[in-house]
Amino acid sequence: EPEVTQTPSHQVTQMGQEVILRCVPISNHLYFYWYRQILGQKVEFLVSFYNNEISEKSEIFDDQFSVERPDGSNFTLKIRSTKLEDSAMYFCASSGPLAGGRGYNEQFFGPGTRLTVL
Amino acid sequence: LAKTTQPISMDSYEGQEVNITCSHNNIATNDYITWYQQFPSQGPRFIIQGYKTKVTNEVASLFIPADRKSSTLSLPRVSLSDTAVYYCLVGDILTGGGNKLTFGTGTQLKVEL
Repeated sequence: EPEVTQTPSHQVTQMGQEVILRCVPISNHLYFYWYRQILGQKVEFLVSFYNNEISEKSEIFDDQFSVERPDGSNFTLKIRSTKLEDSAMYFCASSGPLAGGRGYNEQFFGPGTRLTVL
Repeated sequence: LAKTTQPISMDSYEGQEVNITCSHNNIATNDYITWYQQFPSQGPRFIIQGYKTKVTNEVASLFIPADRKSSTLSLPRVSLSDTAVYYCLVGDILTGGGNKLTFGTGTQLKVEL
């Protein structure tokens, strides 16, 4: 069964450092997403990406964040200058075109990258 | 965006049927109801989606009454491995896809022997 993969599984960084989280979505999917989950809290939407551009972003996704699809397979999330409060689990997800144009927008999530900012 | 309300936690025993109800009084005409499951330290996983009446797949059933103001996820004969957080999400499934998912706090289901 196809799956979304993410690397690394755990990233430890110092405050102020740049980190890049990597994801390989399912190959025929068209929509890509990043979510995060702070320990013990809700899963929060960060950004969605389609046709090589951001289609929607949340208030969390400020100028410190950026996303890129550098080639046909990878989807990355960059945090330019990490803060302590960026410590969280970051999930990548992808979804395909809707069958028949409506309904069934199933998003497939990766296993996550645990980011720890010290 | 329709607000959802579901119990914070539920306990059950192996072999029992579990029903988790979600309230969504302000559901819009174009909204679908979707349930996701999340195990600790893993990403959410799609379980089932429906618009009205009843939907069944190999994992669960989803019951939606005619007024669509609530829905019930039914898990038949749960096992220890069904211990997870279950999220009810309501939102418009736009043509073309790409909708963000808005998660609430979910229902923590604990299954014991």
